Order: sequence, then C-alpha cells, then structure tokens
Amino acid sequence: EDKVVQSPLSLVVHEGDTVTLNCSYEVTNFRSLLWYKQEKKAPTFLFMLTSSGIEKKSGRLSSILDKKELFSILNITATQTGDSAVYLCAVQTGTASKLTFGTGTRLQVTL
Amino acid sequence: GAVVSQHPSRVICKSGTSVKIECRSLDFQATTMFWYRQFPKQSLMLMATSNEGSKATYEQGVEKDKFLINHASLTLSTLTVTSAHPEDSSFYICSACGTGGNSPLHFGNGTRLTVT
Repeated sequence: EDKVVQSPLSLVVHEGDTVTLNCSYEVTNFRSLLWYKQEKKAPTFLFMLTSSGIEKKSGRLSSILDKKELFSILNITATQTGDSAVYLCAVQTGTASKLTFGTGTRLQVTL
Repeated sequence: GAVVSQHPSRVICKSGTSVKIECRSLDFQATTMFWYRQFPKQSLMLMATSNEGSKATYEQGVEKDKFLINHASLTLSTLTVTSAHPEDSSFYICSACGTGGNSPLHFGNGTRLTVT
C-alpha cells in the first residue's frame, strides 16, 4: 500500500521565522511529488517535483526532492500570517495520475 | 492555467435523500477526474477515479452503489450520494489533470455536504 508521511503534524511559529516541512513516501511506480496549500477550501497547487536535487522556488517558498532517500522538504522563509494553512504533500503514481496524500502539516504563523 | 469548477459549494440535505455534485473542467478536456473526501482535520482520501465513457474505478471500502459517478463528457463528472446519512457528511473535492504529460492535478473548490 502506498504511504505518504508528513512531519510535523502541526507547527506554530512567529512571523518572520523560517520553517521546513517534511514529507517521506513509500510507493510503487513513483511519478511525481506535489505540494499543496489548503486554507478553508480545496487545495491550491504549489510545486510539482519529478527529479532529485532540483530546487523549485516561488517567492518565499521552495522545495526539493530526494528520490534516493524518498523524501521532500518544503521551505518557507520570512513567514507571514497569510502562510497559515495546512500544507499537503501528495505522491502521484502510475499512469492514471492517482494521488496519495499525506496527513498534512498545519502551520500557524503568529504575530 | 487549468481550472476546475465544482458545484454546489455547500449543501444541506435530509437523511435518506440523494445529492448530486458536479465537477467541470473549464478550459481543458479531462478524460480522467478524481473524487476525494475529506473529514475534519484529516487528509484527502481518494474515493474513485472517474473515466470518461466508462465505469468509475472505486477505492477499497467505497460503496459504488452509494456513490454513483457519471463521467458523461470530457468536461463533466458527477458524484451522486444516494440515500445520504449523517455519516456521509464531509467535504467532497473533485480534481482533474490538465493536458500535457506532466500536468499537476487541479482541484475544484469542494462541496461541503451536511446530512441532517
């Protein structure tokens, strides 16, 4: 059975801090790893990673994949209160684009 | 970019009634769409894969006769929760993959179903 594990489960930081969210996986027929941000509604897409060692960056967010050690990290620098959300890691497997989600990391950024 | 529209966003129904949720891909054709369910403070659980023109593929433990999926066209998939019960109350989200070999899945805004 495909498994995606995220840590920590929840995190409270002060505005301006840097955070690192972790995602490890054990799946068959890996295709890609995706990060999503979920606030009150459906998840919004952040990054899609398919190759090891190549950092993807968007503003204060960045992510990297290690396919040998089967994990990915999502970094957020200079956090803001608007970054408060649940961050979901998902692994895409097979040819049908099926996603298996981790349980998510609930991030709260306080003033 | 790819946009997925889901309707309704919120529905309250009485126990025993059926509810239909629509998922549309607005600017692309989706041969495959996915239906997820999310309970409070839990992650998304895949319910079924909806295939245009053929039967849906259900995940283990999901009753196909209770959660009817119809993918009648390349832009529309529907999920009908039949004879809904309070334990079916949840957040239902559809997703579809954009065109291109490595397109990420994009999600609809979800439907919050409350069964009283």
